[in-house]
Amino acid sequence: DQQVKQNSPSLSVQEGRISILNCDYTNSMFDYFLWYKKYPAEGPTFLISISSIKDKNEDGRFTVFLNKSAKHLSLHIVPSQPGDSAVYFCAASGDSGNEKLTFGTGTRLTIIP
Amino acid sequence: DAGVTQSPTHLIKTRGQHVTLRCSPISGHKSVSWYQQVLGQGPQFIFQYYEKEERGRGNFPDRFSARQFPNYSSELNVNALLLGDSALYLCASSPAGTISGNTIYFGEGSWLTVV
Repeated sequence: DQQVKQNSPSLSVQEGRISILNCDYTNSMFDYFLWYKKYPAEGPTFLISISSIKDKNEDGRFTVFLNKSAKHLSLHIVPSQPGDSAVYFCAASGDSGNEKLTFGTGTRLTIIP
Repeated sequence: DAGVTQSPTHLIKTRGQHVTLRCSPISGHKSVSWYQQVLGQGPQFIFQYYEKEERGRGNFPDRFSARQFPNYSSELNVNALLLGDSALYLCASSPAGTISGNTIYFGEGSWLTVV
């Protein structure tokens, strides 16, 4: 039962353009969402998060949008840079009294110079 | 400041053996979580410890156990290894015990291969 889904296993974007990574979830108890970036042979690196009381959070080139009614969130990267090429994971957490994160399967982003 | 450190980085074990993986959290962080990442999948939650108490447990068999020490470092133990236990084991730390408004930082992981 995949509660967090990233339906695009890969995405290629031209350098300088916008990258949009999507994530859907099924568990309505999720109220906090995070995006992580992962390079090969490294652990996931935190990018940006959003609480369910917001619909947008911005940090530099990264913006996360949350549509609670659709149970959908997206990560926008503008402008895309070659160093952004990595696997991006969406993760969600609910009010379970602990820090359990439920991850999607990831989207491999390739930025084309 | 040092990030989350894990050891060993790579290891190979035989089916039926036991393995111990170690994690040191970021200084000042009291919460440690363990995740298993199988190739092609996202990380899956195994355990969380906060102030030496188990806070959460994922859907893993009893062959998996963990503990947290007074200095907040942690060990993950896996008994009776199966081929399917081959994965990247990630440790994560955070300052608080609950997620809301919090950031969780991951180590680089321990690659376990079971042959």
